[in-house]
Amino acid sequence: NAGVTQTPKFQVLKTGQSMTLQCAQDMNHNSMYWYRQDPGMGLRLIYYSASEGTTDKGEVPNGYNVSRLNKREFSLRLESAAPSQTSVYFCASSPREGSYGYTFGSGTRLTVV
Amino acid sequence: KQEVTQIPAALSVPEGENLVLNCSFTDSAIYNLQWFRQDPGKGLTSLLLIQSSQREQTSGRLNASLDKSSGRSTLYIAASQPGDSATYLCAVNAGGTSYGKLTFGQGTILTVHP
Repeated sequence: NAGVTQTPKFQVLKTGQSMTLQCAQDMNHNSMYWYRQDPGMGLRLIYYSASEGTTDKGEVPNGYNVSRLNKREFSLRLESAAPSQTSVYFCASSPREGSYGYTFGSGTRLTVV
Repeated sequence: KQEVTQIPAALSVPEGENLVLNCSFTDSAIYNLQWFRQDPGKGLTSLLLIQSSQREQTSGRLNASLDKSSGRSTLYIAASQPGDSATYLCAVNAGGTSYGKLTFGQGTILTVHP
């Protein structure tokens, strides 16, 4: 099925560990995004990539890095996980920035202990 | 900084009722506004997008309106069904240097009971 695939679906990390969240889309979308969703805070943009080869910071980029590996793939890396990064992470893509047709992945539930 | 607020936070209605969800934003200089639906444990699904120059958009039983000058949007759901139960989120695209960076409201949790 066409869409956005995120891996893993669940992850538990110890404080200070690192990990990379993977995201791939097969809709030939130009723009990709990483959001985190926390109770009472809504979705907040971490990083986004308007097109292949470009990345930009969102509202809450501290503690994260991203790589737009190619048009299909956009990864999010936590270099040294902290309990404050416990959240549900969503990857999304759209045909172009701000257009209709945002497609979201099913999310990664990350717990940092 | 753009802030988006959704009222009510939760709504429970009997099947068949028409209902309205509200979204307000602090900076009226927006490019477009989108409404999404999120089912428990799932990602978001796009419902409707309204450009800043438009007043409303319709899709089936859904109608979204936009009053940019007052910083408000509403999502009207006609003849609600239990399958409409979900969290509904609005998101604003501010445009300019923030183009593409959607700012989301916290959502309205809708429950439609048979």
